[in-house]
This record gives sequence, C-alpha cells and structure tokens, in this order.
Amino acid sequence: GQQLNQSPQSMFIQEGEDVSMNCTSSSIFNTWLWYKQEPGEGPVLLIALYKAGELTSNGRLTAQFGITRKDSFLNISASIPSDVGIYFCAGLGYNTDKLIFGTGTRLQVFP
Amino acid sequence: SAVISQKPSRDICQRGTSLTIQCQVDSQVTMMFWYRQQPGQSLTLIATANQGSEATYESGFVIDKFPISRPNLTFSTLTVSNMSPEDSSIYLCSVVISSAAQYFGPGTRLLVL
Repeated sequence: GQQLNQSPQSMFIQEGEDVSMNCTSSSIFNTWLWYKQEPGEGPVLLIALYKAGELTSNGRLTAQFGITRKDSFLNISASIPSDVGIYFCAGLGYNTDKLIFGTGTRLQVFP
Repeated sequence: SAVISQKPSRDICQRGTSLTIQCQVDSQVTMMFWYRQQPGQSLTLIATANQGSEATYESGFVIDKFPISRPNLTFSTLTVSNMSPEDSSIYLCSVVISSAAQYFGPGTRLLVL
C-alpha cells in the first residue's frame, strides 16, 4: 500500500541535542499526525495537525503542517534518553478515514 | 483519549491454526480499524471494522484470511486464519475518538512457527 517518505531513516544523537525529522508525500493531506512507538508498545499519538501552516507544540516537541499540504516536520528539542523510539508520521486525505503511515524514523539517544 | 486493550498481548502459534485477537475500548467509538505491523516495518491497514455489517478490507487482505467481527461500538475481533510464518507480526487495533485522530491499542505480538 501507499506509504509516506519519512527521513531520516534513523538518527543516533547525543543527549541534549535537537532532532528534526520530516515526512513528504506526493498527495495532499487534510490531517497530519505524529506518533511514537516504543518497543513492545503500540504507537502513541504525540501531535495532531489539522490546518496548512499550523505549528503545534507538545512539551519539547513541535510539529508543523506544511503549506503545500504535502509535508510535515517534527522537531524535538534538548533530547533525553527516554525519547528513544520509532517516530511515525501519518496522513489523512480528504473524505477518508484511512491513515497512511510513514516509513518511520528510529531515534537513539546516547547519554 | 480512550483506554484500549487487546488480548492476547502475545502468542506463539503453530502453522495451520487460527488465532482470534480481541480489542476492547472503554467508551463507544464510531470508527475502529485493524492494522498489521511486520517486523521492522511501518503499519499497514488491514480493514475497517464496521459495527453491524461486514468489515471493509484493504487491497491485499481478504475476509477468509482475516475475518473481523464488530458486534457493538466498544468491541471488535480479528481472526488470523490458517496461519503461516509470514503472518508473524504485531496486530494493532485503533479507534477514532474525535477530530480524525486515531488512538492505538498496545498490540498483539504473534509468532507463527
């Protein structure tokens, strides 16, 4: 099935560093969602974006809905070891309830 | 959000057998979905579980292999039938609470030998 292109595929960073990842699509989306999945768990919703250009924060996390409606960005500031996990973007098109997921960014944080 | 539980949390099964996975939500929800996550991969939608009617399957997934029930607005089951090692995956249910955001259960980890 269709998937969104997510980059980078993996990141290995030092504690305290900032992190940026993005998600791109050839199609326009109406909603962008960002999830984090830790080992042995289901994905947990971090941020939901509903409007082009929208910038939303959740603690140290900030996500933006791209103006073109074809991309979204997630930034994590001052990373900590518990940020470790796989981050997935997901997009929702018009007149559908079906989410399309990104390929995931695996984040590893070293103390 | 809502509290979503899945049973079993994990299982090891023999090929050729079937496993039924349950998804329970602590509040009534309109939309429920079933996803598969193969090892090291992203999530792929299997089907939309429709209350009181047949599920809507995505391309590549069929009812004979993945029968789904949804008897009410808080509960659904997914059966993985006639299993083979290729069915080894995490199976996840999700629900829509409001504003199109989907919330996921903890997943069922299936290993088929």
